Amino acid sequence: GAGVSQSPSNKVTEKGKDVELRCDPISGHTALYWYRQRLGQGLEFLIYFQGNSAPDKSGLPSDRFSAERTGESVSTLTIQRTQQEDSAVYLCASSLQGYETQYFGPGTRLLVL
Amino acid sequence: AQSVTQPDIHITVSEGASLELRCNYSYGATPYLFWYVQSPGQGLQLLLKYFSGDTLVQGIKGFEAEFKRSQSSFNLRKPSVHWSDAAEYFCAVVGSNSGYALNFGKGTSLLVTP
Repeated sequence: GAGVSQSPSNKVTEKGKDVELRCDPISGHTALYWYRQRLGQGLEFLIYFQGNSAPDKSGLPSDRFSAERTGESVSTLTIQRTQQEDSAVYLCASSLQGYETQYFGPGTRLLVL
Repeated sequence: AQSVTQPDIHITVSEGASLELRCNYSYGATPYLFWYVQSPGQGLQLLLKYFSGDTLVQGIKGFEAEFKRSQSSFNLRKPSVHWSDAAEYFCAVVGSNSGYALNFGKGTSLLVTP
């Protein structure tokens, strides 16, 4: 079946602009995660959605970052007033349940000029 | 907090040689451990995972890993490396910080020479 998809695959923006990144999880997966991967670094957890529960936002680096998820479907990660240090690959993952294997999308490569 | 350390940033092996990538974890109880591979331009792919039970775990592409509680390690091995194995390898542990979010190591970059 279809895997996790993300759009856009690449995004170039100017410092100070807002960006929206989209994630389509695998159908039926209740858990959804956002991670960030900076150049040469491992992945950093950003936010976690589980079903209709309130998301855990403990990994968001600042209040410029926010995310939403509609039910158990699409999620959007929004970065307001982008900064150059926001340049990274943003990866989305979904799992059947929270404790199950996470399947990752191809990522969105964000470049802030 | 749970964390993993991958001591080797880069590793170079000859094609056909054996491979071992190191991963050390920090966790009080039995951890959930994973190895993922990231090829250039590709997303992360799960190689194998350990939740409990048999400490020697078999994965895809001929990889295996052994959980050693006494050494707090979960090293990834492959008896004979192929050129297509060149990639970035990440060890990860489920953290307690948020649900089942993964705490990743910084990765080991594998180069395979002819």
